[in-house]
Amino acid sequence: EVQLVESGGGLVKPGGSLRLSCVASGFKFSSYTMNWVRQGPGKGLEWVSSISTSSSYIYYADSMKGRFTISRDNARKSLFLQINSLRAEDTAVYFCARSSWNDAVFDIWGQGTMVTVS
Amino acid sequence: SYVLTQPPSVSVAPGQTASIPCGGDDIGSKTVHWYQQKPGQAPVPVVSGESDRPSGIPERFSGSNSGHTATLTISRVEAGDEADYYCQVWHIRGDQGVFGGGTKLTVL
Repeated sequence: EVQLVESGGGLVKPGGSLRLSCVASGFKFSSYTMNWVRQGPGKGLEWVSSISTSSSYIYYADSMKGRFTISRDNARKSLFLQINSLRAEDTAVYFCARSSWNDAVFDIWGQGTMVTVS
Repeated sequence: SYVLTQPPSVSVAPGQTASIPCGGDDIGSKTVHWYQQKPGQAPVPVVSGESDRPSGIPERFSGSNSGHTATLTISRVEAGDEADYYCQVWHIRGDQGVFGGGTKLTVL
């Protein structure tokens, strides 16, 4: 079964840090661009960051440059998101999602991991 | 930055056709994807590109895109279609993904 499973969320104080993880199974992880998308409570989807297959190309939303770092480990079929200097407005469910390339649809999503900054 | 604009809500009676617009500057030149999200669940793609439907998505879901507006059309709407719908593009100039604000579809 093709699957993405996120972990690492939790309650953290403002100014703290978190490292989110997303583990893939059921497909060749190294062949896909991977993405993070977040959704604040009662709000819409917000694209956070994307990373190419070999980590050569990395992109961030303007509002997240500097505090967010995306990375991947193809050998461990894992995607990561490091978030530093957390703020209340970072409170959200963070989803990882797969796509074939930047312009392609996000075809597989994880169930999300909740980050609460308070 | 690139902005996609969706109406907050659309209402339609069962069996009728729902049209959900997504406005953006010259969006007709971009590849638009549509996602359905039900409460407490992850988004699910329903239409990608010109009008490709992922496996398992009914033919009732279709997309169009021209000029400054892309549209998701749901024919013969059913109660189970009630959900939030989001459009999404990759903005090449800014190297960024962009989602619309989302539209809540209510089936009357």
